[in-house]
Amino acid sequence: EIVMTQSPATLSVSPGERATLYCRASQSVSRNLAWYQQKPGQAPRLLIFGASTRATGIPARFSGSGSGTEFTLTISSLQSEDFAGFYCQQYDNWPLTFGGGTKVEIK
Amino acid sequence: QVQLVESGGGVVQPGRSLRLSCAASGFTFSSYGMHWVRQAPGKGLEWVAVIYFDGSNKYYADSVKGRFTISRDNSKNTLYLQMNSLRDEDTAVYYCAGRDQPFDYWGPGTLVTVSS
Repeated sequence: EIVMTQSPATLSVSPGERATLYCRASQSVSRNLAWYQQKPGQAPRLLIFGASTRATGIPARFSGSGSGTEFTLTISSLQSEDFAGFYCQQYDNWPLTFGGGTKVEIK
Repeated sequence: QVQLVESGGGVVQPGRSLRLSCAASGFTFSSYGMHWVRQAPGKGLEWVAVIYFDGSNKYYADSVKGRFTISRDNSKNTLYLQMNSLRDEDTAVYYCAGRDQPFDYWGPGTLVTVSS
């Protein structure tokens, strides 16, 4: 099983600032990496797939990068609606696995 | 528009069984693999199982292998999760997700509580 490790667990950021979230895989997943956003009481929403491709309707302030074992999600200027939980997921191998999540909170 | 709606959750005693359903609409259900994902209270996301578009292949997380069975009825546009020998640690919101991977659509989830 591929283990996905996200850091930090919690990120405190002021509105308008940049946020950078990290995801590391225990072995290469090529670019088969997705990022999801989840707000309290809601289902997750796909943000990024293929490590760097934004899903339909996702604002340009969200960007993803990386390949192999190291990945990054950047939110260029945090808006009030962006404060939420974020999860990375590898879909290169079964079983699919998620990272433990990063909570982005208001500083 | 694409919709996934889960049902069948509830409170069940340890060792008992429960079957979840996910009704799909707005897309050609029979063309896509579909998944179940769960989230224990206050915890992260855990992938549970997948079934290929035609039901030919199924994969499971080790935590549910041998106890849970994923299935589908393409004539009814419905995904199922049969959960047997339920344990306390199976308590979670269960999401139906698809299409294929990664998951571009999710249902709102259904809560399963395993408790005596």
